[in-house]
Amino acid sequence: SQELEQSPQSLIVQEGKNLTINCTSSKTLYGLYWYKQKYGEGLIFLMMLQKGGEEKSHEKITAKLDEKKQQSSLHITASQPSHAGIYLCGADGYRGSNYKLTFGKGTLLTVNP
Amino acid sequence: KAGVTQTPRYLIKTRGQQVTLSCSPISGHRSVSWYQQTPGQGLQFLFEYFSETQRNKGNFPGRFSGRQFSNSRSEMNVSTLELGDSALYLCASSRQGAYEQYFGPGTRLTVT
Repeated sequence: SQELEQSPQSLIVQEGKNLTINCTSSKTLYGLYWYKQKYGEGLIFLMMLQKGGEEKSHEKITAKLDEKKQQSSLHITASQPSHAGIYLCGADGYRGSNYKLTFGKGTLLTVNP
Repeated sequence: KAGVTQTPRYLIKTRGQQVTLSCSPISGHRSVSWYQQTPGQGLQFLFEYFSETQRNKGNFPGRFSGRQFSNSRSEMNVSTLELGDSALYLCASSRQGAYEQYFGPGTRLTVT
């Protein structure tokens, strides 16, 4: 079965700093999803990457997919307290299984004002 | 457009009891997936329903079951509750052919 490893597990940054979260898959990635979760709440969809080399941005968050390395990175520029939360990566186990996602354990981001 | 709603939001049950959780997807979404989230195991896929049929199933014991109604609303049931079933249960809905899953706020189940 596919496993996703996220690093780091937790991150504390000062407001205004840049940061990167990584997600590495044990198997081929057919689709990689990034979600954000406020503690104890539902997940908010950030973006989805499908093709190797693909890069997407939403406001100050950029995600990239390195298909060969079976890895994705999420980069936040000029972090703000509103960016705090748990970031989760999720992946399709096989093509077309986007309704059955495997998730990493998450990265807890704290942004100090 | 209303988001995914889940009821109840919080629930406390005793070991051995059973529980039913409800999920109403976004209007027009026919796929509903259920996930269990615990501090130790993280977010794990339970099952997915589409047009009242279970299409995918995760690695959970038979005590966990679900169903979907003709209006796409879904329920999941856990019988003979164990302490380890304490978790946040999330449901997510999707449009057919779409990639994004939209998650509800979850039901926090505590088993004592």
